[in-house]
Amino acid sequence: DAMVIQNPRYQVTQFGKPVTLSCSQTLNHNVMYWYQQKSSQAPKLLFHYYDKDFNNEADTPDNFQSRRPNTSFCFLDIRSPGLGDAAMYLCATSLRTTGHEQFFGPGTRLTVL
Amino acid sequence: GDSVTQMEGPVTLSEEAFLTINCTYTATGYPSLFWYVQYPGEGLQLLLKATKADDKGSNKGFEATYRKETTSFHLEKGSVQVSDSAVYFCALRPPTGANSKLTFGKGITLSVRP
Repeated sequence: DAMVIQNPRYQVTQFGKPVTLSCSQTLNHNVMYWYQQKSSQAPKLLFHYYDKDFNNEADTPDNFQSRRPNTSFCFLDIRSPGLGDAAMYLCATSLRTTGHEQFFGPGTRLTVL
Repeated sequence: GDSVTQMEGPVTLSEEAFLTINCTYTATGYPSLFWYVQYPGEGLQLLLKATKADDKGSNKGFEATYRKETTSFHLEKGSVQVSDSAVYFCALRPPTGANSKLTFGKGITLSVRP
């Protein structure tokens, strides 16, 4: 089945130690999104890629970076995780940015010690 | 800017009870409206959607009708099951031609007792 896959499902890192979260998709969608969801809150969009074009949200901290080496994969890099970065990170894809549904992966729950 | 307001939770119901979760929105034009469901420890799944006024989205016994006059998209189900226990998010997306950023409500937790 075509789908959005996130690895790992659970990630533990130490305060200040860089961490990378992975997302892959078999839908061949042009757009990939990263959301941060803190406990009992709505998902918050961090950034998205339309093909190779990177679109950062205005309030996304510089500590968060992303890479998209090809259509199928997109990575979220947190350069120096703080305790406040502990959250569920959701990857989503859509065929295009307008008029198309977003498909979400299962998420990676990040714990910062 | 665009916003979505959901009723305060959590909601606890007995199995087979009737469910209504209120959602109202503020947006220009005719946004698309969505309900997403998040089961414990999982990502979001699209439950249903409506793209124009008076459209009714339905899936798995859930329904919601796009009401432009009241700017609402309330979620209903006639008989809930324990397996419906989850967090429900209402969301909107600007009309086609604008960016497709989803704006979510805060979500509401539904617990269904056997």
